[in-house]
Amino acid sequence: GDSVTQMEGPVTLSEEAFLTINCTYTATGYPSLFWYVQYPGEGLQLLLKATKADDKGSNKGFEATYRKETTSFHLEKGSVQVSDSAVYFCALSWVNQGGKLIFGQGTELSVKP
Amino acid sequence: GAVVSQHPSRVICKSGTSVKIECRSLDFQATTMFWYRQFPKQSLMLMATSNEGSKATYEQGVEKDKFLINHASLTLSTLTVTSAHPEDSSFYICSARETPTYYGYTFGSGTRLTVV
Repeated sequence: GDSVTQMEGPVTLSEEAFLTINCTYTATGYPSLFWYVQYPGEGLQLLLKATKADDKGSNKGFEATYRKETTSFHLEKGSVQVSDSAVYFCALSWVNQGGKLIFGQGTELSVKP
Repeated sequence: GAVVSQHPSRVICKSGTSVKIECRSLDFQATTMFWYRQFPKQSLMLMATSNEGSKATYEQGVEKDKFLINHASLTLSTLTVTSAHPEDSSFYICSARETPTYYGYTFGSGTRLTVV
């Protein structure tokens, strides 16, 4: 079945470092892809999304490009801040499956001053 | 923007009792709501999909008699954990899909359930 795999955490970076969190998916066809962020004790917030191949989602300095050749949707940010410390989830969804989200295992990011 | 309110944020209950968790869409109508369960440092596992006015669709392995879901209106869905046991302790999160925007998932802030 469909699945999403993320790089294992925790990822620890210094402030202003470059961030990459890898995400690959397994699916038949081209689902929509998402990145969600979860701050401690809270629910999830949509960070960015891409609905078709070669789309680039971006928000708050984060970017991810839908790569069908490598079935990947890696999250990047050029300069992280302490406030970016959170757990990041990659997810996919299909319109014809009721729109339910399939999540990766999450990657914890810790940014140190 | 769209807001989903989930209550309570934390609840402690005794083993054998039932607990109800509410999920409300405050400024939009949600024909579909999703309930997830999250174990510490793990991903979200979809428990069920609820559609307003119809029975919920449960994922494989989820006990429908234990986790009762009601979606009686376009703005409210409830999850009742019946006869709770310590192994039911978890973080439960609801999500509502805006109508008619397909990609408009909005998540509640979650409920930390502890069964003692």
